[in-house]
Amino acid sequence: AQKITQTQPGMFVQEKEAVTLDCTYDTSDPSYGLFWYKQPSSGEMIFLIYQGSYDQQNATEGRYSLNFQKARKSANLVISASQLGDSAMYFCAMSLPGAGSYQLTFGKGTKLSVIP
Amino acid sequence: DTGVSQDPRHKITKRGQNVTFRCDPISEHNRLYWYRQTLGQGPEFLTYFQNEAQLEKSRLLSDRFSAERPKGSFSTLEIQRTEQGDSAMYLCASSLEDGTGSTQYFGPGTRLLVL
Repeated sequence: AQKITQTQPGMFVQEKEAVTLDCTYDTSDPSYGLFWYKQPSSGEMIFLIYQGSYDQQNATEGRYSLNFQKARKSANLVISASQLGDSAMYFCAMSLPGAGSYQLTFGKGTKLSVIP
Repeated sequence: DTGVSQDPRHKITKRGQNVTFRCDPISEHNRLYWYRQTLGQGPEFLTYFQNEAQLEKSRLLSDRFSAERPKGSFSTLEIQRTEQGDSAMYLCASSLEDGTGSTQYFGPGTRLLVL
């Protein structure tokens, strides 16, 4: 069964600095997708970035980049130039489309606090 | 283009009552998912539809839970004989199937409190 591990329950970062949120995953399936979502206190899950297991390059979306290290089974999220509005819960998730399973398996999340 | 919408946003009910939640996906999306999120946890998968067919159900989805997507558009999630353990955020998501494990877009959720 697939598993996502986020080992940082909480992180602090100074405004305008970069921060890395850790995510490791476990699956024996060679075809998988990795996602990061942001959940503000309002509760809505906001999609940030996607990385496919066969993608050769690390995904980037604006200030978000995904540091994908396949051999280590890690998919860390890097947020550059942090802003106060980045304070939220961040979840890493995985799907297994190759196995016909499109459900997302989530980690427990990391609470990011941006300090002015 | 509007996003995923859910109704109601909040629901308080007494133990033993039935509740029904509605989800309207992004209009061209053919897949619709339900998740449940309890305090301090990530969302947990409940079930998903491709068009009107319910293709996968989690073991979390007990007999008291039923989901429908009658015309392949909106979906409803009903919980019968609610229990205090059903208190959670119920999240709906939708995606457009393109064979690559397409991105799911979430609605604002329905917060359920069972007294």
